Order: sequence, then structure tokens, then C-alpha cells
Amino acid sequence: GQQLNQSPQSMFIQEGEDVSMNCTSSSIFNTWLWYKQDPGEGPVLLIALYKAGELTSNGRLTAQFGITRKDSFLNISASIPSDVGIYFCAGQGTYKYIFGTGTRLKVLA
Amino acid sequence: DGGITQSPKYLFRKEGQNVTLSCEQNLNHDAMYWYRQDPGQGLRLIYYSQIVNDFQKGDIAEGYSVSREKKESFPLTVTSAQKNPTAFYLCASSIGVGMAEGYTFGSGTRLTVV
Repeated sequence: GQQLNQSPQSMFIQEGEDVSMNCTSSSIFNTWLWYKQDPGEGPVLLIALYKAGELTSNGRLTAQFGITRKDSFLNISASIPSDVGIYFCAGQGTYKYIFGTGTRLKVLA
Repeated sequence: DGGITQSPKYLFRKEGQNVTLSCEQNLNHDAMYWYRQDPGQGLRLIYYSQIVNDFQKGDIAEGYSVSREKKESFPLTVTSAQKNPTAFYLCASSIGVGMAEGYTFGSGTRLTVV
């Protein structure tokens, strides 16, 4: 089945640093979502994007819907230890969402 | 509060046994999904259901079975035909299939073969 490509796959950063990650697809999507999964838990929705070029923020998180509609980006500013987890993008397909492979974030205090 | 409840949180299975993972939602969502997550991997779709008494195979349905007799419930059975069942299983629901609001996930069941 199709999965979206996320990069980087994993990253270690120092507390206070900014983080950037992206998600790319060979298909066009009308909706992009970003989820965060804490260790041993289910993913939780962070941000939803509905229009090409849209930039949306949720606290220290900012996400963008790429103009080509084939990519999306997530930025986290001033990272803190509780940002640790796996971040998934998801694109709205015909009958279901297609999920990315995930970016595993580890924050060093 | 509305949400999705998965049980049990941890499950151990002997080789050759069938086990059933429970998923219940009180969100009044029509669609429900089962995903498998392996360490370091993304989410792979096992089965999904758009309405009661109907379900569709996902990308990795072999060795699994589901039922959807009630809107609130979508249990997953891991059969003995699934050769590598050790994984983290996630259940999700949405208002409808592929809706823009996305999915609400349960907290997962970790299945281990002993």
C-alpha cells in the first residue's frame, strides 16, 4: 500500500532548538494532517490543512500545505522534552487517509 | 467524554492461538479502522469499515479477521495464520470514510507472541 515519505526519519535535537520536517507524495491531496504519537499511545491530531499554500499554527507548531499539493511541512519552535515522539503526516485519499512513515524526534535536555 | 477504547492494553498469545482485540467508540462515527505498527515503521492498514455489517481489506489483511455488527464496535481477530503477529495495534474512527476531520485513534494494544 502507498505510504508517504517523511524526512528525516529520526532526529536528535537540543532543548530550545527549532525542528523542521516534511512529507512528500507522488499524489495530490486535498487535505493534509499532522499527528503526534507519544510512546506507547495512539496518535493525536495536531494540525489540519485544507488549502494549497495554507499556513496554520498551533502553539509552537506551524504547518504548511505545499503549493503543489504533493507535500507538507511541520515546524516546531523552541523544542521542549515533551516534544519527544513520532510525528506522522497524512494525506486524504479517496476512501481513507494515507499515512507517512513517521519522523521520530528525541529532545536532549 | 467521547472517545475510542481499546482493550486490553497488553496481550500475550501463544503460537497457534487466535486472539481478539477490542475496539469500542462512543463518538457516533460511521467509519472505523485497524492499523498495525511495527517498531520504527509507519501505520499499515489492516481492515476498515464504512458502515455496520460492511468492511474492506486494507493493505495487510492476511491472517486477520474483523466484524462490524454494531456501529460502536469493531473487534479484530488475529488468527493463527498470521505468522508474525507481534506488533502494536491501533484502532481509529472517523465521521465518514476519508473525511477532512481525520481520524481519532485509540491508545493501542501491544500484542506479543510467547
